[in-house]
Amino acid sequence: EAGVAQSPRYKIIEKRQSVAFWCNPISGHATLYWYQQILGQGPKLLIQFQNNGVVDDSQLPKDRFSAERLKGVDSTLKIQPAKLEDSAVYLCASSLDGSGRSTDTQYFGPGTRLTVL
Amino acid sequence: AQSVSQHNHHVILSEAASLELGCNYSYGGTVNLFWYVQYPGQHLQLLLKYFSGDPLVKGIKGFEAEFIKSKFSFNLRKPSVQWSDTAEYFCAVLSGGSYIPTFGRGTSLIVHP
Repeated sequence: EAGVAQSPRYKIIEKRQSVAFWCNPISGHATLYWYQQILGQGPKLLIQFQNNGVVDDSQLPKDRFSAERLKGVDSTLKIQPAKLEDSAVYLCASSLDGSGRSTDTQYFGPGTRLTVL
Repeated sequence: AQSVSQHNHHVILSEAASLELGCNYSYGGTVNLFWYVQYPGQHLQLLLKYFSGDPLVKGIKGFEAEFIKSKFSFNLRKPSVQWSDTAEYFCAVLSGGSYIPTFGRGTSLIVHP
């Protein structure tokens, strides 16, 4: 079974530039999560989708971050414009559970390491 | 808001030593509890989880964790560690009614052969 795919694996940009990350979840998984993991901290949930609807985006900085999950499969996370403090690893995870309660096992991708200069 | 504390940020052990990693959370209501592990160069993966029932939960690779409600704790244990257990370990809590899991900052475990 293929795992969660993410691209790119690494990205270096200058502040005020834009960047986009892509995630392809495990086939058939209803729920998709985007996390931000700053160095030395645990993952922080940014947004959670159930199929193509948003379950929770209360921790997403909506003035600069946006995410979409078209057709309930792939998802993109965008930052525009980037700030220095956005330097982090962005993790995508998916779970089979369609309830949206995050209780089902989450399968994580390899992450995208973003450096903002 | 829920908070999760992992007091041991770095732990260094020799093979065959016993392991206990602490995890404490702040919310006093119904919780779901998780331990995740990230081996070097690998993805974050679930080690074990507690939803209800027996407070002693067994996971993969000989790990177990005990939920002690009165202490707001969910400590991870392994009686005898191996070099291959070298990894970053994260505790996570999902509070009742919330969709947002809260992760601790992680504990880095190094096991010397």
